[in-house]
Amino acid sequence: DTQMTQSPSTLSASVGDRVTITCRASQSINNWLAWYQQKPGKAPKLLIYDVSSLESGVPSRFSGSGSGTEFTLTISSLQPDDFATYYCQQYNSYSLTFGGGSKVEIK
Amino acid sequence: EVQLLESGGGLVQPGGSLRLSCVASGFTFSRFAMSWVRQTQGKGLEWVSAINGAGGKTFYADSVRGRFTISRDNSKNTLYLQLSRLRAEDTAVYYCTRDTVGATNAWSDWGQGTLVTVSS
Repeated sequence: DTQMTQSPSTLSASVGDRVTITCRASQSINNWLAWYQQKPGKAPKLLIYDVSSLESGVPSRFSGSGSGTEFTLTISSLQPDDFATYYCQQYNSYSLTFGGGSKVEIK
Repeated sequence: EVQLLESGGGLVQPGGSLRLSCVASGFTFSRFAMSWVRQTQGKGLEWVSAINGAGGKTFYADSVRGRFTISRDNSKNTLYLQLSRLRAEDTAVYYCTRDTVGATNAWSDWGQGTLVTVSS
C-alpha cells in the first residue's frame, strides 16, 4: 500500500495568514491526489482533485501543487471558515489511502 | 442535488454481521462508481471498498477483504455493504461516497454517515 504522510499534524494560524500543508507519498502516485476539509461532526468535503483541480464551488484561495511524491495544499489567506482538519488522499492504486490529517487551529 | 442517505448501523457483538445501505438520489446512479469510507472516533479516514457503476468490479482494503462485501442495485439506486465477522476495530462511522465528475476515486459527495459499534 502507498503510505501518505502529512505535515504538520497541527498548525496554529491567524486569519489572513498564508497556510501550507504538505503531503508525501511513499511511492509515485502519478498525480492522482485529492485534498479534503473536515469539520467536527461533518463528512469530509472535497477541495481539490488531480493535484490542482479545484472542485466546483470551492473558493479560489485554496490551491494544490506538486508532483511525483510531494504535494502541497495552500490557503492563500486564511478565513474564519477554514479552521478545520485537512486530509490528502491518493487514488493512484488500490488500496486508496489517506494522510493522517492536519488540523488548522486559531492562533 | 446529490443526496446519499446511509442506514443500517448499530451495535453488534464481535463476530456478528450487519448490512449497511446507501440510497442515492439527484444523479444517474449507474453511471458512477461508489465507495465506502470509514472513520474511527476522533481518528483518521480509511477507505473500505469500491464498486464500479455496473457492479461487476469490486475492490477492498486488506483489513476487510474476505469479511465485507460491497454490492449495488441500480434499479433501486442503492449501495450496500455487508459486514461479517466483525471485530472491535471495525467500530467507526461508515460513509457512502460518490466520485466527483472529474476523477475516479476522488469523492465529491458523502452521506451523513452511519455508526457501527462492535462491542460485547
